[in-house]
Amino acid sequence: EVQLVESGGGLVKPGGSLRLSCAASGFTFSSYSMIWVRQAPGKGLEWVSSISGTNTYIYYANSVKGRFTISRDNAKNSLFLQMDSLRAEDTAVYYCARDPHTSSYFDSWGQGTLVTVSS
Amino acid sequence: EIVLTQSPGTLSLSPGERATLSCRASQSVSSDYLAWYQLKPGQAPRLLIYGASSRATGIPDRFSGSGSGTDFTLTISRLEPEDSAVYYCQQYGSSARTFGQGTKLEIK
Repeated sequence: EVQLVESGGGLVKPGGSLRLSCAASGFTFSSYSMIWVRQAPGKGLEWVSSISGTNTYIYYANSVKGRFTISRDNAKNSLFLQMDSLRAEDTAVYYCARDPHTSSYFDSWGQGTLVTVSS
Repeated sequence: EIVLTQSPGTLSLSPGERATLSCRASQSVSSDYLAWYQLKPGQAPRLLIYGASSRATGIPDRFSGSGSGTDFTLTISRLEPEDSAVYYCQQYGSSARTFGQGTKLEIK
């Protein structure tokens, strides 16, 4: 069974940093692209960043480009999102998800971790 | 960037009824690369439909997707109480994958 478990969320001040992790199990992690999607309070879903299985392709939404860095450790079946220069508008539940065909839909999701940016 | 507009914003129906959710794209979605997801509070989002009409693994046949080009529909027949959720469409036909704003389905 595919499992994705996010961690690392919390309360951080504007301008601060946070690193999210996503532990994957139940599939060959290195064979899949992975993504981060977020949902701000009362808002819809927003794709944040994607990374291919071998780190060849990395993409970011314009709203986070230059501030967030996606990475992965295939040996540890883990996905990461380093978030710097955080803003109030980054407050959201952050989900990691699996992309089965690279740049396609997302077939398995974690339950999310809440990031709150507030002074 | 392709903008997806979902309607209605909220739908309130009774168990056993049929729900019809719409997703309209600002331009044609390449190869009908359109997916639907179900979100419930505190739960992991669930993929329902991909490729506009293909059901994901384990999804009951009460859920069906249709449409092409710019107009897509998610139909849930024989509504059950557990179908209460927010439903999102997503296009992956362009490099900037985008979501609709969601339709909240309430089961009376």
